[in-house]
Amino acid sequence: GAGVSQSPRYKVAKRGQDVALRCDPISGHVSLFWYQQALGQGPEFLTYFQNEAQLDKSGLPSDRFFAERPEGSVSTLKIQRTQKEDSAVYLCASSSSQLGGSVPETQYFGPGTRLLVL
Amino acid sequence: RKEVEQDPGPFNVPEGATVAFNCTYSNSASQSFFWYRQDCRKEPKLLMSVYSSGNEDGRFTAQLNRASQYISLLIRDSKLSDSATYLCVVTPRTSGTYKYIFGTGTRLKVLA
Repeated sequence: GAGVSQSPRYKVAKRGQDVALRCDPISGHVSLFWYQQALGQGPEFLTYFQNEAQLDKSGLPSDRFFAERPEGSVSTLKIQRTQKEDSAVYLCASSSSQLGGSVPETQYFGPGTRLLVL
Repeated sequence: RKEVEQDPGPFNVPEGATVAFNCTYSNSASQSFFWYRQDCRKEPKLLMSVYSSGNEDGRFTAQLNRASQYISLLIRDSKLSDSATYLCVVTPRTSGTYKYIFGTGTRLKVLA
């Protein structure tokens, strides 16, 4: 079956522009995560959805970052007034696990969106 | 101090060699542990979960030491195709999410 897909794969933005990054999780996966990966670093957690509910947004670096998943499937990560330090790969992951489950299930990652802010 | 620490490497080893990576974590209440593999400019992919009893998958063996708070990955008979970055992943025991906490990754280059 289809894996996690993300679009666009590459995005170049001028400083100050708003960008929107899309994630299509694996069908039926309840949990959706966004991560940010800077060059040479491991991914860092941004935010988590269970269905349409955003249960954890503790990793969002500033109020310029906003995520939504209105129907519990596709998610969008929006970055307003982009800054150079926002340049990174943004990874989306989904899993079938949900709160109340006994153990975390494997997270499956999309190919990422590579954002470059000039 | 980062929650999950790895030696970034690079580890350059000849084909056929055995190589081991360690990873330490600071949260003693961490719940689950994984090794992911990430090829250059690709997404992370699950290599294996790590269990307290240790587990093996072909040439790969993972171990967890809860008392010392480290996990390890052993690769035997290294292949050129094993060249990648290996990411250590820990999930904290929190009430909110099963988010992953990643290490920086250890780069492995297997040389012909």
